[in-house]
Amino acid sequence: DTAVSQTPKYLVTQMGNDKSIKCEQNLGHDTMYWYKQDSKKFLKIMFSYNNKELIINETVPNRFSPKSPDKAHLNLHINSLELGDSAVYFCASSQDPVATNEKLFFGSGTQLSVL
Amino acid sequence: RKEVEQDPGPFNVPEGATVAFNCTYSNSASQSFFWYRQDCRKEPKLLMSVYSSGNEDGRFTAQLNRASQYISLLIRDSKLSDSATYLCVVIPNDYKLSFGAGTTVTVRA
Repeated sequence: DTAVSQTPKYLVTQMGNDKSIKCEQNLGHDTMYWYKQDSKKFLKIMFSYNNKELIINETVPNRFSPKSPDKAHLNLHINSLELGDSAVYFCASSQDPVATNEKLFFGSGTQLSVL
Repeated sequence: RKEVEQDPGPFNVPEGATVAFNCTYSNSASQSFFWYRQDCRKEPKLLMSVYSSGNEDGRFTAQLNRASQYISLLIRDSKLSDSATYLCVVIPNDYKLSFGAGTTVTVRA
C-alpha cells in the first residue's frame, strides 16, 4: 500500500481555473506538508499541518489554500491559476513536526501545467 | 546567498568509479543534515542522515564539516542504478527543512 498518495498525478488546466490536489497518508503521522518543485528543481515548503493545525505557512499567494479535514489528509486548493503555478507539487508527511532527525515521506507528486 | 547550495553537475562517471560532491549551507546554527535521492520525475527519498562523526551506508559515505559549513557524499563502486539527483537537506534552527537544488549523477556502462 502506498504510504503517501496524492491525486491527480498530472493536472493540465487553463489559466484562471480553480483546481484541487488531494493527499492522504496511511502512516499514522501527525504532520503533513505541501512542497513545490519548480523548473529549477528547488523544493520549497509551502505549508505544514500538525494534527490538522497549520504550523508553517510560507510566503505563498493566498490563492493557495490548504485544508486538512483530519490528520491523514491534506488537500491543496488553488484559485485563479496562473502560468507561474506550473510545477510539481509534492505532499509529504512525518511523524512529528520537523525536528532534528525527522524523515519525510513524499507522495509521488502532481505535475501541474497551466496553459 | 542561498541557504543550501549544490553543484548541479552533471557528474558523468563510468561504472565502478568513485564520485563525490559537496553541499554548502549558510546557517552556522543548522542542526541536522541529510541526503535525499530523487530519480527523474519521482519523489525524493531519504538516502541517509549525516552525522557529525561521518557515517557510511554500504557504498555511500557522508561527512559533515561544520567549520567550513559543508556536507559531502561519496559513492564508491558506482552502479548504473546510482544515476539520480542527490538533494542536500539542512535543518536550520527554525526547523524548516531547506533543500538544495540537487546534484545530478549519471553512471554509464
